[in-house]
Amino acid sequence: DVLMTQTPVSLPVSLGGQVSISCRSSQSLVHSDGNTYLHWYLQKPGQSPQLLIYRVSNRFSGVPDRFSGSGSGTDFTLKISRVEPEDLGVYYCLQSTHFPPWTFGGGTKLELK
Amino acid sequence: EVQLQESGPGLVKPSQSLSLTCSVTGYSITSNYWGWIRKFPGNKMEWMGYISYSGSTSYNPSLKSRISITRDTSKNQFFLQLNSVTTEDTATYYCARSVKWVWVMDAWGQGASVTVSS
Repeated sequence: DVLMTQTPVSLPVSLGGQVSISCRSSQSLVHSDGNTYLHWYLQKPGQSPQLLIYRVSNRFSGVPDRFSGSGSGTDFTLKISRVEPEDLGVYYCLQSTHFPPWTFGGGTKLELK
Repeated sequence: EVQLQESGPGLVKPSQSLSLTCSVTGYSITSNYWGWIRKFPGNKMEWMGYISYSGSTSYNPSLKSRISITRDTSKNQFFLQLNSVTTEDTATYYCARSVKWVWVMDAWGQGASVTVSS
């Protein structure tokens, strides 16, 4: 299985600030079709996970441009600028390049300082 | 708009089978892929498997001997069965739609909490 390592585990932030979350994979996530299937989710308290970013850098429908994804190969980053209260929760990366199984990162909890 | 809703027992005894139903509205399960994901206490997430638009299945190898995902297209529902459960199967179980070619879960149910305990 591909191991997905997210850092940090906990990320204190001030409202209006900017943060980055790292996700590293144990092997390259470039698929034989040339695409990279690395995605980002946010799980708010009491809710199911919601898709933010798909295939590294594509914002899902309705996701504000404060969220951006970047990276390649084994190293990926989610950046959140101008953090708002509704951004708090647990962020996960997911790889679906190497299958089965699809594998998640361990999660990063974004919380107020 | 697609909506998914999990249902099933919240308490299962060890060694028994866990059975959950995912009811889908607003979209046909004869398109795309339909899967199960679980979140353990402490945030760990695990992809369990899916059933495709054609009825073929794929499972997490770690569960392969215990898991079965089936469907009833007439009711637009799909099902999870996990056999021989232990306390380590205690988790919140989510059903989700996976989009072909993007290979990402873009719509999720609200989740069903299942506790394995005698």
